Amino acid sequence: EAGVAQSPRYKIIEKRQSVAFWCNPISGHATLYWYQQILGQGPKLLIQFQNNGVVDDSQLPKDRFSAERLKGVDSTLKIQPAKLEDSAVYLCASRQRTGTELTDTQYFGPGTRLTVL
Amino acid sequence: AQKITQTQPGMFVQEKEAVTLDCTYDTSDQSYGLFWYKQPSSGEMIFLIYQGSYDEQNATEGRYSLNFQKARKSANLVISASQLGDSAMYFCAMRPGNYGQNFVFGPGTRLSVLP
Repeated sequence: EAGVAQSPRYKIIEKRQSVAFWCNPISGHATLYWYQQILGQGPKLLIQFQNNGVVDDSQLPKDRFSAERLKGVDSTLKIQPAKLEDSAVYLCASRQRTGTELTDTQYFGPGTRLTVL
Repeated sequence: AQKITQTQPGMFVQEKEAVTLDCTYDTSDQSYGLFWYKQPSSGEMIFLIYQGSYDEQNATEGRYSLNFQKARKSANLVISASQLGDSAMYFCAMRPGNYGQNFVFGPGTRLSVLP
């Protein structure tokens, strides 16, 4: 089974520019997550989708970050305009079940490493 | 609020020896799940092992085992017979039991396996 796909793997932009990341989850996985991982820290959840609906975006800086999952499959995360502190790895993860089972694990993609100059 | 603590920023272990990576957690939930992930330099988070709060037995997956002490709220990862390929960041994570609650990750421990 194919894993979670992300692109691009690396991106370098200047501050105030915009950038977009793409994620394709594992086939059949209804739940999709975007995380931000700053160097030396654990991942921090930005947004969770259930199919094409947002479940949790409480930690998404909505003044500059946006995300969508229009058809309930792949997703894009956008930053506009970027700031220096947005430099991080952006990880996408997916989970199969839609229930509350604690055993459901998240499977992660390879991440996109963003550098803002 | 849920919190994960990993007190070892870095650890060294000799190849073929066992190593324990510490993880303590804070939650008021009775039901929760604990996970360990490995993150090599390539960046991908790789799922290693899961322990449920009501599981009576410690979880094991190949060379990985989880030393779960519920009363102390600790879930230490034990890697037996370390290999050079085990060098990576290791993250402890918790999913609280309430619906909609998502993973909380610890700050990670960098493990270096020495030849």
